Amino acid sequence: EAQVTQNPRYLITVTGKKLTVTCSQNMNHEYMSWYRQDPGLGLRQIYYSMNVEVTDKGDVPEGYKVSRKEKRNFPLILESPSPNQTSLYFCASRSGLNTDTQYFGPGTRLTVL
Amino acid sequence: GDSVTQMEGPVTLSEEAFLTINCTYTATGYPSLFWYVQYPGEGLQLLLKATKADDKGSNKGFEATYRKETTSFHLEKGSVQVSDSAVYFCALSANSFGGMRFGAGTRLTVKP
Repeated sequence: EAQVTQNPRYLITVTGKKLTVTCSQNMNHEYMSWYRQDPGLGLRQIYYSMNVEVTDKGDVPEGYKVSRKEKRNFPLILESPSPNQTSLYFCASRSGLNTDTQYFGPGTRLTVL
Repeated sequence: GDSVTQMEGPVTLSEEAFLTINCTYTATGYPSLFWYVQYPGEGLQLLLKATKADDKGSNKGFEATYRKETTSFHLEKGSVQVSDSAVYFCALSANSFGGMRFGAGTRLTVKP
């Protein structure tokens, strides 16, 4: 089954404790991205990757890091989480063209205390 | 920069009522336009899309037409069901940047 998976689905942590949210897709997509969803703001892009070893900032990259060492994986790293990073996070992937459908993971709900 | 503005709601309708959710966009070039739906506790699913002007996307009774002259992509359904209760997001994708821009989302509740 074609899918995007994320882990963990729920995470409660404390300020400053480094964490990683994993994302994997099995569709051989070139393009992957991370979004955060906050009430009244819709989804905002954090980072995206056009292919292996190619990443770029989205609209809200501060406080986040990413890496793309393999085509299928695109982890999101919070080196020193803060309470304003409490949010619902989605990973997504699509093939190369902007006309193509983007497929979303199930989401990771992160709470930073 | 490129952006999407959509009717925020929430919207509450009775079953079998007509639905319109407005969406307008600002973009340079020729974006592709999408409607995604999010059911409670789930990720986003593509509902429909249109990739060029005057295209009509349709799925599950929902329709939206890409109107370049009014920069709009309004979502419509002739007769909503309780199962249509969800949050609906309008979005655009363009070559000028590497992702999608989303509207704020519209929560729809359909009552029996």
